[in-house]
Amino acid sequence: GENVEQHPSTLSVQEGDSAVIKCTYSDSASNYFPWYKQELGKGPQLIIDIRSNVGEKKDQRIAVTLNKTAKHFSLHITETQPEDSAVYFCAASKGYSTLTFGKGTMLLVSP
Amino acid sequence: GAGVSQSPSNKVTEKGKDVELRCDPISGHTALYWYRQSLGQGLEFLIYFQGNSAPDKSGLPSDRFSAERTGGSVSTLTIQRTQQEDSAVYLCASSLEYEQFFGPGTRLTVL
Repeated sequence: GENVEQHPSTLSVQEGDSAVIKCTYSDSASNYFPWYKQELGKGPQLIIDIRSNVGEKKDQRIAVTLNKTAKHFSLHITETQPEDSAVYFCAASKGYSTLTFGKGTMLLVSP
Repeated sequence: GAGVSQSPSNKVTEKGKDVELRCDPISGHTALYWYRQSLGQGLEFLIYFQGNSAPDKSGLPSDRFSAERTGGSVSTLTIQRTQQEDSAVYLCASSLEYEQFFGPGTRLTVL
């Protein structure tokens, strides 16, 4: 089955800096790659996703890049703010199906 | 509009007891998923319902775990003869297409 590896497990940045989280996947048939943000005591919330027919997608300060050949995808957050502090999860799936998640990255943005 | 809701939000039980966790998906969503999140871990898939098709139970860790979805809407996850290793946050999600919307989860503690 699919296996998703996520790095780093923790990331500390200063407010205004950029943050990058990287994930690799094992199943070349996976074609949907969402990123979720989870705040303490809440369920994960989708922040951005990408499908395998595009290499990059951007939404304001957040962007995701996908390299199908290398089977890795990354989340980029620019101009980080304290409210970006949370746990971020990457995931992969084949179409409308169950998601396989990475183990998460705890992002801490210090003012 | 209303999101995915789960009840109870917290459940403390004794080892060996049975528990039922409830999920109310977003109205009209055809797919419903259960995931388990253990401390410091990513989300682990448990079971997936899609419309009237037979559920995908491939993620259930043992035969003590079962789930039903009545009328294509509300779902109940049942854990029989609970063990301490069952302690985790149980998350439900629903979807119409790619994006999965998560509920806030039920935190289960088995003493």
